[in-house]
Amino acid sequence: NAGVTQTPKFRVLKTGQSMTLLCAQDMNHEYMYWYRQDPGMGLRLIHYSVGEGTTAKGEVPDGYNVSRLKKQNFLLGLESAAPSQTSVYFCASSYSAGGQPQHFGDGTRLSIL
Amino acid sequence: AQTVTQSQPEMSVQEAETVTLSCTYDTSESDYYLFWYKQPPSRQMILVIRQEAYKQQNATENRFSVNFQKAAKSFSLKISDSQLGDAAMYFCAYATVSTASKLTFGTGTRLQVTL
Repeated sequence: NAGVTQTPKFRVLKTGQSMTLLCAQDMNHEYMYWYRQDPGMGLRLIHYSVGEGTTAKGEVPDGYNVSRLKKQNFLLGLESAAPSQTSVYFCASSYSAGGQPQHFGDGTRLSIL
Repeated sequence: AQTVTQSQPEMSVQEAETVTLSCTYDTSESDYYLFWYKQPPSRQMILVIRQEAYKQQNATENRFSVNFQKAAKSFSLKISDSQLGDAAMYFCAYATVSTASKLTFGTGTRLQVTL
């Protein structure tokens, strides 16, 4: 069972470059989330989606965009990467709200030089 | 805004002993959920235990149990019979029903397990 798959696992970018992180889930989950994890901090929510075609801002959305064109995929885009976006990015999904546990991908380590 | 506080950056426990990790949270909501996630060096986020705020009974999962004190807004994790494989970062997290179950995390406690 694949669960939540994140692509790529590692990436190094130069300041100003753009890229897209892909998250795919095969559990037919409605809800999907993007978090970032920085040293000494817990995970912080960037954007989330409550269903296909919907997106909403989380706690730290600036500099990121997202799309949920298909139920199983949730894309996170960096239009113009900045060193402050160096982080580990996690995607998660859950079946519904109501406190359903979130299932996480293995993370993407992104370095911006 | 909801906040989650883990005041112990690091903890250490001997193998086979018991350790308790602390977590407090702040909320004005009445319906919410609390979680403990484990993050080993592999970086995976693994759900350890889940507590529903409207349930007074403390959740347990094998060697893991919680002490949920709703009035005090406290949610501690007890690990019994600690094993080397328990060494990891542990994150306390909070979610409300009304906010699409978005998780708010604490800063984590790094648990070391010694022989």
